[in-house]
Amino acid sequence: EPEVTQTPSHQVTQMGQEVILRCVPISNHLYFYWYRQILGQKVEFLVSFYNNEISEKSEIFDDQFSVERPDGSNFTLKIRSTKLEDSAMYFCASSKGTVARLAKNIQYFGAGTRLSVL
Amino acid sequence: DQQVKQNSPSLSVQEGRISILNCDYTNSMFDYFLWYKKYPAEGPTFLISISSIKDKNEDGRFTVFLNKSAKHLSLHIVPSQPGDSAVYFCAASAYLEGGKLIFGQGTELSVKP
Repeated sequence: EPEVTQTPSHQVTQMGQEVILRCVPISNHLYFYWYRQILGQKVEFLVSFYNNEISEKSEIFDDQFSVERPDGSNFTLKIRSTKLEDSAMYFCASSKGTVARLAKNIQYFGAGTRLSVL
Repeated sequence: DQQVKQNSPSLSVQEGRISILNCDYTNSMFDYFLWYKKYPAEGPTFLISISSIKDKNEDGRFTVFLNKSAKHLSLHIVPSQPGDSAVYFCAASAYLEGGKLIFGQGTELSVKP
């Protein structure tokens, strides 16, 4: 069964360093997402990406964050200068897309990358 | 931002009995609702969903009920099995708001043999 894969599973970095989290979405999916979950809190939406551009981003997704689809398979989240409060599980998700109102938009998630900022 | 709420952080059920997990929402623009199951150190796994034009969707042991007037949905698991022990997240999306998922806090289900 196709699945979303994320690497690395755990990333440790020093405050102020840049990190790149990588994701390979399901191959025939068109919409890509990043979410994060700070320990003990809800899963929160960060950004959605469609047709090689950001379609929506949350307040969390400030200038320190960027996303890219550098080739036909990878989808990356870059944090330019990490802060202590960026420590969280980061989940990538993909979906076939929403082609009509009330259409199914089932998002499939990867296993996540645990980011620890020291 | 409490658009989706799961008021029970935990639920314990005997094997073979019914598990009922509840979820409330406030945003009337939500038109699609999903339940995800999550094990430790794994990502959320899609379980079952329902669109706002329906009031019930069934898939094997899992049934989701939607009460739009009450802005409430529930997940029923019958019969419950020890392997169902996990954290269950309710999530909602609105096509006109871009389709992002808004998650509840999760309910940890423990099914005891």
